[in-house]
Amino acid sequence: DAGVTQSPTHLIKTRGQQVTLRCSPKSGHDTVSWYQQALGQGPQFIFQYYEEEERQRGNFPDRFSGHQFPNYSSELNVNALWLGDSALYLCASSSDRTQETQYFGPGTRLLVL
Amino acid sequence: RKEVEQDPGPFNVPEGATVAFNCTYSNSASQSFFWYRQDCRKEPKLLMSVYSSGNEDGRFTAQLNRASQYISLLIRDSKLSDSATYLCVPAGENTGFQKLVFGTGTRLLVSP
Repeated sequence: DAGVTQSPTHLIKTRGQQVTLRCSPKSGHDTVSWYQQALGQGPQFIFQYYEEEERQRGNFPDRFSGHQFPNYSSELNVNALWLGDSALYLCASSSDRTQETQYFGPGTRLLVL
Repeated sequence: RKEVEQDPGPFNVPEGATVAFNCTYSNSASQSFFWYRQDCRKEPKLLMSVYSSGNEDGRFTAQLNRASQYISLLIRDSKLSDSATYLCVPAGENTGFQKLVFGTGTRLLVSP
């Protein structure tokens, strides 16, 4: 039973560029949440997708957008990258039908130069 | 007041020691609580869930004090492999679709 997977594992971009990160949830999960973790900080909630729609959103600008596909996988897009976007981006999956907590993927480490 | 507050540490302890971390939360409506463990440059992994007054799993014990709005994590007989950052997460009744609010974590270093 595969857990949460994310790609790519590492990414280097320059300021102003755009990036797309991908996530496949754990088998049986239908909800995907994205978090940003800066160095020395706890993960910060970006947004959550369920039934291909954004269900709730954290305090992140519109440069951060996402998508969920019919197979429950998800993408996180960040436009107009700036240095402060350098972080570990974590995807977490869960099931809307259970009270289980969220399970995290290995993350994508993004460096913006 | 921050939603979740933790002492960032690091807590430096020798192998075999007992160590305890506290975490305070501001949302009195929180129903469930989790401790995640995060190794350096890795993802958080669920360590313990706490739904009532506490939970014990081997060397790990979590205690919940709703009146004072804090939860603690006690680690007995520390191992080198316990070195990690421990993240406290209070949540609502159904964490599946809620945003998880993390503290900054408490870093533990266990030395030989």
